[in-house]
Amino acid sequence: SQQGEEDPQALSIQEGENATMNCSYKTSINNLQWYRQNSGRGLVHLILIRSNEREKHSGRLRVTLDTSKKSSSLLITASRAADTASYFCATAVSNDMRFGAGTRLTVKP
Amino acid sequence: DTAVSQTPKYLVTQMGNDKSIKCEQNLGHDTMYWYKQDSKKFLKIMFSYNNKELIINETVPNRFSPKSPDKAHLNLHINSLELGDSAVYFCASSQGLTGGWAGELFFGEGSRLTVL
Repeated sequence: SQQGEEDPQALSIQEGENATMNCSYKTSINNLQWYRQNSGRGLVHLILIRSNEREKHSGRLRVTLDTSKKSSSLLITASRAADTASYFCATAVSNDMRFGAGTRLTVKP
Repeated sequence: DTAVSQTPKYLVTQMGNDKSIKCEQNLGHDTMYWYKQDSKKFLKIMFSYNNKELIINETVPNRFSPKSPDKAHLNLHINSLELGDSAVYFCASSQGLTGGWAGELFFGEGSRLTVL
């Protein structure tokens, strides 16, 4: 069964703008991870945030986690055309990783 | 060297046939997974193995049978293929975190299966 649900399903922005994607999940988790998938390729890990963390940064990425609301957000600042991809959140429940349906991000040059 | 490699990349076959997809990881990870991604991009876990032992077996038809000869390999065999099996199948591996929780997953490039 799916665990996370990303919102919005699709997002289109101009280069230089910020992109925010949200993820909601249903059960208690140990950690939450964000992945990126370019068209026709495998998923690539972006960032992991543990359940006792509230915010994490990696380059132009900022992830927040609110375990009371069972939600997370991924912010990409100063977006580039090369950021165009699908972004997935995944929740770790024991040794199991459950993915949402993803947000399709399009960054227009 | 490719960290997680799966073969073949493309597979076109007729209904009723049997096919296999192979996966190998050279990262020394102890856990491997098979995921199915459908045309709407939903990514659904199918199986997970930890040190050659099956630990996750989702509600998947028993036509799908995973086999892990060693912890670096996890193959997927599918019997009596059906139209609905058409999808992209991804292999992934991870090294568990302390406490047994799933860590970062490394994915293969996917195997696109088309059943005619």
